[in-house]
Amino acid sequence: GESVGLHLPTLSVQEGDNSIINCAYSNSASDYFIWYKQESGKGPQFIIDIRSNMDKRQGQRVTVLLNKTVKHLSLQIAATQPGDSAVYFCAENRMNTGFQKLVFGTGTRLLVSP
Amino acid sequence: DAGITQSPRHKVTETGTPVTLRCHQTENHRYMYWYRQDPGHGLRLIHYSYGVKDTDKGEVSDGYSVSRSKTEDFLLTLESATSSQTSVYFCAISGQGSNQPQHFGDGTRLSIL
Repeated sequence: GESVGLHLPTLSVQEGDNSIINCAYSNSASDYFIWYKQESGKGPQFIIDIRSNMDKRQGQRVTVLLNKTVKHLSLQIAATQPGDSAVYFCAENRMNTGFQKLVFGTGTRLLVSP
Repeated sequence: DAGITQSPRHKVTETGTPVTLRCHQTENHRYMYWYRQDPGHGLRLIHYSYGVKDTDKGEVSDGYSVSRSKTEDFLLTLESATSSQTSVYFCAISGQGSNQPQHFGDGTRLSIL
């Protein structure tokens, strides 16, 4: 079936490195994508989103890239800090209506070493 | 942080008992959602609401019911809890438009023995 997935379940980086977390999606009709960060014992926290009419969007230390040709999404975190350690997952919206039918990936754990 | 409060934060109960989880928002958002999160699975939608008294089923709705009598409150009820419903439950809200991000509460950890 269709799914949103992540290639790497765990990513370990050194403090100060740049991190790249990848996500593949299968529905070419999806028009909206979101990255979330989830720390232990907390709910998912919105990081950044991107619409399908864009290829790139930047936030504070984060950049999301969307490649619709290969249905691939990535989250880049610049100068990764220990506080960035968490599970990151992407979500795609498969309905272009007021109601969001988000499909979530299972997540990648980012471990940042000092 | 989005004004979303889930209660209780933790609950342990026995198989066969009814359980109600509450989600309260202060953002006056139209859309509210209930998800469950289990190891090896992404967040899965249980039910959602698109207005007061307007609700619909998600992908894993069996064994769950919801109610929304006020904009700010969305209740999830397990009529007769089963061990397979042991999970972490998250409430989310979003504003008008399919391109508005959902914001989540901090969850309820529910254990059914």
